[in-house]
Amino acid sequence: DGGITQSPKYLFRKEGQNVTLSCEQNLNHDAMYWYRQDPGQGLRLIYYSQIVNDFQKGDIAEGYSVSREKKESFPLTVTSAQKNPTAFYLCASSQGDRETQYFGPGTRLLVL
Amino acid sequence: QKEVEQDPGPLSVPEGAIVSLNCTYSNSAFQYFMWYRQYSRKGPELLMYTYSSGNKEDGRFTAQVDKSSKYISLFIRDSQPSDSATYLCAMSAVHAGGTSYGKLTFGQGTILTVHP
Repeated sequence: DGGITQSPKYLFRKEGQNVTLSCEQNLNHDAMYWYRQDPGQGLRLIYYSQIVNDFQKGDIAEGYSVSREKKESFPLTVTSAQKNPTAFYLCASSQGDRETQYFGPGTRLLVL
Repeated sequence: QKEVEQDPGPLSVPEGAIVSLNCTYSNSAFQYFMWYRQYSRKGPELLMYTYSSGNKEDGRFTAQVDKSSKYISLFIRDSQPSDSATYLCAMSAVHAGGTSYGKLTFGQGTILTVHP
């Protein structure tokens, strides 16, 4: 079964803690993306990566970091510098036609 | 002003109704237009993808793009309760060299409920 998996489904963060969200795809896609979704808002781009070992900041990168060491994996770290991390985080991937992006099921991050 | 504006609704219609969902945009560089459907607590799934002005039909769904007015629409015919979801419009610009880098700009999403 080809697709995108995200884990965990729910994640709780304590004040001052860094947490890492996992995103894995077996679609053999070159490009991967991280979005944040808040209630009543559309998706906002955090980071994206067109190829392995390369990534660019999106519109709201402050307080987040990523790595792309393997084609199939694009983990997102929410650092303690992100003061309002509570949101639904979505990972996506695409190949060739970059606009056709396929999304994972999402991770909901909550602050304790 | 946001680059993409979408009426958040919520929109409630009876089963069988024709639904019209709309987005306006301000960036003339937007060339690719998409509609995504998102069920509650799930990731969005791509419904329609268009590049040129005009209509594109897929089953009960029709996507319409009017670049001169900077306006896109999604029509759902014979709506079903299973169509109840949030619908997101998305668009991307073409940069120098003809690539968009896949950077999508999303509308806020319209919550649709189709009741039996």
